[in-house]
Amino acid sequence: ETGVTQTPRHLVMGMTNKKSLKCEQHLGHNAMYWYKQSAKKPLELMFVYSLEERVENNSVPSRFSPECPNSSHLFLHLHTLQPEDSALYLCASSQGTASRTEAFFGQGTRLTVV
Amino acid sequence: TQLLEQSPQFLSIQEGENLTVYCNSSSVFSSLQWYRQEPGEGPVLLVTVVTGGEVKKLKRLTFQFGDARKDSSLHITAAQPGDTGLYLCAGVGDSNYQLIWGAGTKLIIKP
Repeated sequence: ETGVTQTPRHLVMGMTNKKSLKCEQHLGHNAMYWYKQSAKKPLELMFVYSLEERVENNSVPSRFSPECPNSSHLFLHLHTLQPEDSALYLCASSQGTASRTEAFFGQGTRLTVV
Repeated sequence: TQLLEQSPQFLSIQEGENLTVYCNSSSVFSSLQWYRQEPGEGPVLLVTVVTGGEVKKLKRLTFQFGDARKDSSLHITAAQPGDTGLYLCAGVGDSNYQLIWGAGTKLIIKP
């Protein structure tokens, strides 16, 4: 138990569906992240939120839309995804955004787009 | 562009053997982190190395940061099935927010 909880753990969705991934952290951290993990590839940072403000958006397609209503919750809204978007989506949190800070990860959502 | 290459990509050995995995770059990093990710879980931080030449030990795991801070290694002594997992290295790059990640070494320790 890392203190970061992601739901759902598994998601299968069609290309025309709309779904949302949820992340909640119980660590009192002020920064939260979305990563995409594909097989045999480095983790790809998608979004960073610090104090509920988005501070990083790594050229992610608009079909991925993040939302951070408060410092404990982070959502990733998905719509009209493509099969190549199938991957493990990881949420992480840290105390501050300085790169020396340890990141605590959730268990991930395994997303399959059909 | 800063990149980290991990080798080998995959390693399967018997319990009790020793092994070393590598994390290499042509870029200098101010520090480097090692994570282990078990199946169905997110990565968990094992150690952070900061000083060139630094060696840190975590039970049977020994981590070393290269003198030039461009590379790192992880040595496991007497590997056990519980060491099975994906080992990821991540370097602190130029951006304050973004770690530079390697693709990982998938390690399987057979009983």
